[in-house]
Amino acid sequence: DAMVIQNPRYQVTQFGKPVTLSCSQTLNHNVMYWYQQKSSQAPKLLFHYYDKDFNNEADTPDNFQSRRPNTSFCFLDIRSPGLGDAAMYLCATSRAHEQYFGPGTRLTVT
Amino acid sequence: ELKVEQNPLFLSMQEGKNYTIYCNYSTTSDRLYWYRQDPGKSLESLFVLLSNGAVKQEGRLMASLDTKARLSTLHITAAVHDLSATYFCAVVLDFLYMNYGGSQGNLIFGKGTKLSVKP
Repeated sequence: DAMVIQNPRYQVTQFGKPVTLSCSQTLNHNVMYWYQQKSSQAPKLLFHYYDKDFNNEADTPDNFQSRRPNTSFCFLDIRSPGLGDAAMYLCATSRAHEQYFGPGTRLTVT
Repeated sequence: ELKVEQNPLFLSMQEGKNYTIYCNYSTTSDRLYWYRQDPGKSLESLFVLLSNGAVKQEGRLMASLDTKARLSTLHITAAVHDLSATYFCAVVLDFLYMNYGGSQGNLIFGKGTKLSVKP
């Protein structure tokens, strides 16, 4: 059974057109994360939540926003995507020592 | 600032050979993770190392952790083509959530080692 689900798996958006990526979990974990992974690079943490306690990394661009309306769902909003935002976006949940990654959403910006 | 360095970044091996990937990190952490990533896919958890001296093995892969040296190794024994992938180590940086009085570990990743196993 899928535990961390990301939709869509592939997203194409136009330069400057807002886009939202979604993540849901069936694990009831308090902590959720969004990572950005560009081609041939390591995942980079963008945001994390403990329940609704939100924290963004210092170098996360203002163009990126996140919402977590409830325990199960978390959204990543990119307000004005640029070509440099093309990447794989990974959602993860955590409890204790384990992190569980979703399958990722590959974002293409045209 | 926590830095995580992996080497080598690229590794081309012949089937049947042994090799070790190294992961060094710059500040104290008691937890280290190894992940595998196939092209276009998400991260697959391989090992979670929770204490100094921890050693875990799964199939042809064995991981160890030396917290005093701030070093983890991923050893590959008798490599096979199916092991071709990118391997990441990640070290935990604890983040304190003030509103909850508890902490949670955020992962800081190394740059990854791209392993290619050739017949």
